[in-house]
Amino acid sequence: EAGVTQFPSHSVIEKGQTVTLRCDPISGHDNLYWYRRVMGKEIKFLLHFVKESKQDESGMPNNRFLAERTGGTYSTLKVQPAELEDSGVYFCASSQLTSLNTDTQYFGPGTRLTVL
Amino acid sequence: AQSVAQPEDQVNVAEGNPLTVKCTYSVSGNPYLFWYVQYPNRGLQFLLKYITGDNLVKGSYGFEAEFNKSQTSFHLKKPSALVSDSALYFCAVRDGGGGSYIPTFGRGTSLIVHP
Repeated sequence: EAGVTQFPSHSVIEKGQTVTLRCDPISGHDNLYWYRRVMGKEIKFLLHFVKESKQDESGMPNNRFLAERTGGTYSTLKVQPAELEDSGVYFCASSQLTSLNTDTQYFGPGTRLTVL
Repeated sequence: AQSVAQPEDQVNVAEGNPLTVKCTYSVSGNPYLFWYVQYPNRGLQFLLKYITGDNLVKGSYGFEAEFNKSQTSFHLKKPSALVSDSALYFCAVRDGGGGSYIPTFGRGTSLIVHP
């Protein structure tokens, strides 16, 4: 069974440009999460989809970040326009729709975003 | 608010020696605790979790963790370290008492196992 995949693995852009990150969850997983880790710091929650609906987007930093999950399969996270502080590793995770407190989340390899 | 502390940025251990990676937590309800490992250029891999039951939880790759309620700790252990265990380890907590289901992660601990 394929795991969570993310594309691209690395992205280097200039301040003010737009970047779109993609996540393909494990097939059949209704829960999809986005996280971000800034160098040396905690992994921080950004948002959570259940199928195509946003369940919780309390971690989204500001309105420059837009996440979508049309059709309830893959998800995209767009940053427009990118700022220097957006640099970090963006992780996606998915899980089956069971108890949200105890479900095991399976992570992708992450996208390393560098904004110059 | 819930929190996780991983007090050591880096742990060094010789191959064959026991290893411990420390984690303490704070949560208002019952703690649901998780350990993940990130190998170089890879995503986070689930190692083990504590939800309820036996305080000693066994996970992947020979790792185990002990839930200690009085010390609010969930330290990760392995009896005999391998060089291939060198990686970044993350502890996470969720609130099992009806609070937010969103996990809170620690900053990560870099484990270096020397040959």
